Amino acid sequence: TQLLEQSPQFLSIQEGENLTVYCNSSSVFSSLQWYRQEPGEGPVLLVTVVTGGEVKKLKRLTFQFGDARKDSSLHITAAQPGDTGLYLCAGHPSGSARQLTFGSGTQLTVLP
Amino acid sequence: DAGVTQSPTHLIKTRGQQVTLRCSPKSGHDTVSWYQQALGQGPQFIFQYYEEEERQRGNFPDRFSGHQFPNYSSELNVNALLLGDSALYLCASSFSNPSSTQYFGPGTRLTVL
Repeated sequence: TQLLEQSPQFLSIQEGENLTVYCNSSSVFSSLQWYRQEPGEGPVLLVTVVTGGEVKKLKRLTFQFGDARKDSSLHITAAQPGDTGLYLCAGHPSGSARQLTFGSGTQLTVLP
Repeated sequence: DAGVTQSPTHLIKTRGQQVTLRCSPKSGHDTVSWYQQALGQGPQFIFQYYEEEERQRGNFPDRFSGHQFPNYSSELNVNALLLGDSALYLCASSFSNPSSTQYFGPGTRLTVL
């Protein structure tokens, strides 16, 4: 059983469209991180959300941490082909401060 | 400033063989974590090394072992390879405090035939 569930698993959209990716858990996390991974590369950290209800913006990307700190979302406005990649959420489960647990990822393809 | 480097880039082995993967952390980092990423999945935590000792371990069998050297570089060893060990193996480095951001290398693609 995956501790962090991501949806959708695959997403293919046209350039200019908006999209939202979800990361859900039944467990409380002290923080959640979002990464993007491109083929042949390791994951690259986009953002860390720490406080319940927190919203962070990174250009056209908006990240939100749920009030109960069990879920998070990533919203992309006016997607571009350069946004294509595997989006991963990750966090440290309670009692495992050093073990980073990842979701299964959302593979996003933005078509020109 | 070099980031995290891993070698080799790709590796092909047969069942039952043993493999060693290598990782050099980002300059200044003293902690190395290893992850296994199967195709289409998120990375799974194998273990973390700090001060040349395994500090935390994920749900992986004893066939997976590691080492950290005084210069903070690290090796991942896998014995008695199985077909299911085929995956991308990622190394991440960080500072020792748990909240420190982990920086990932490009990974080693292991194929077991």
